[in-house]
Amino acid sequence: NAGVTQTPKFRVLKTGQSMTLLCAQDMNHEYMYWYRQDPGMGLRLIHYSVGEGTTAKGEVPDGYNVSRLKKQNFLLGLESAAPSQTSVYFCASSYTLQGASNQPQHFGDGTRLSIL
Amino acid sequence: LAKTTQPISMDSYEGQEVNITCSHNNIATNDYITWYQQFPSQGPRFIIQGYKTKVTNEVASLFIPADRKSSTLSLPRVSLSDTAVYYCLVGDLYNFNKFYFGSGTKLNVKP
Repeated sequence: NAGVTQTPKFRVLKTGQSMTLLCAQDMNHEYMYWYRQDPGMGLRLIHYSVGEGTTAKGEVPDGYNVSRLKKQNFLLGLESAAPSQTSVYFCASSYTLQGASNQPQHFGDGTRLSIL
Repeated sequence: LAKTTQPISMDSYEGQEVNITCSHNNIATNDYITWYQQFPSQGPRFIIQGYKTKVTNEVASLFIPADRKSSTLSLPRVSLSDTAVYYCLVGDLYNFNKFYFGSGTKLNVKP
């Protein structure tokens, strides 16, 4: 099993450009999450999904949109990239909400995004 | 909303036991305490989770006092490979409740 796979791993954008980050999981998890991590800080939740076709806002949703058309995929979109969105983006999935001890959140290895 | 407070960094030597404490004064009745480990350029990885008293698994122990306002992650006999950032999270498992990773504790294990 691959677990949680994020593509791309690195990307550089110019201000105003748009792009989509893809997250795929092969564990049949219901719940998926997108986080951002800025230097020296913990992860902050952007959006999450409790199942196919559903999404909800997290702590820092502004400037991002998400879609969960298929259970295994969770897409994060930036419509008009801004330098403040330069960050490392992590996707995660879990069987239960937040993750129980026998079914924790599983994370991808991140996408490093730079906005010039 | 249970925010967490952890030391920014800690140093240790190989073979020592390391205890990292997390404060969560506003923990709610339904909140669980979860710890994750993160290596550079990787996503966080689950270590241990608990609700009260003591939980132990093959890699760590988690101590939670009766008032649950803090918790302590204990790593027995650390090695160089335990150098990482450790995050404490507090939140409700079954109802989505915002939970914070916080800034974490950078553990530096020296030879």
